[in-house]
Amino acid sequence: EAGVAQSPRYKIIEKRQSVAFWCNPISGHATLYWYQQILGQGPKLLIQFQNNGVVDDSQLPKDRFSAERLKGVDSTLKIQPAKLEDSAVYLCASSLDPGTGGFETQYFGPGTRLLVL
Amino acid sequence: AQSVTQLGSHVSVSEGALVLLRCNYSSSVPPYLFWYVQYPNQGLQLLLKYTSAATLVKGINGFEAEFKKSETSFHLTKPSAHMSDAAEYFCAVRVDTGRRALTFGSGTRLQVQP
Repeated sequence: EAGVAQSPRYKIIEKRQSVAFWCNPISGHATLYWYQQILGQGPKLLIQFQNNGVVDDSQLPKDRFSAERLKGVDSTLKIQPAKLEDSAVYLCASSLDPGTGGFETQYFGPGTRLLVL
Repeated sequence: AQSVTQLGSHVSVSEGALVLLRCNYSSSVPPYLFWYVQYPNQGLQLLLKYTSAATLVKGINGFEAEFKKSETSFHLTKPSAHMSDAAEYFCAVRVDTGRRALTFGSGTRLQVQP
């Protein structure tokens, strides 16, 4: 079974530029998460999708961050304009629909490492 | 709201020695608890999870953790450290109502000395 795919793996941009990250979850996983992991810290949730609807975006800085999950499969996370403090690893995770009867473990992709100069 | 505290940002052990990584949680409802491992430049891999069944949970690579409600703890142990265990370890908590995302601790970096 293929895991969660993310691209690009690394990105370097200058502040005020825009950047986009892509995630392809495990096939059949209805729930998709984007986490931000700043160096030396644990991952922090940015946004959670259930199919193509947003479940929780309370910690997403909506003035500069946006995310979408068209057709309930792939997802993109965008930052515009980027700030120095956005330098972090952006992790995508996916899990089965909680209604499937099993305990839905989250599976993580390798992450995209962003450096804002 | 739930939270996790990992005591010790860095732990160093000798190869073959006991590994003990500490995690304490705070939750107003029965929690689900997890340990993830992160190797350099990789994503997080699930080591083990507590989902209200047995309080002693066995995971991959010889790790286990015990849920102690009275101490609000979920410490991770391994009897004998191996060089390949060197990595960052994260404890996480989730509750079964509403928001289902994980709340992570700040992580513990495990160093294994030869």
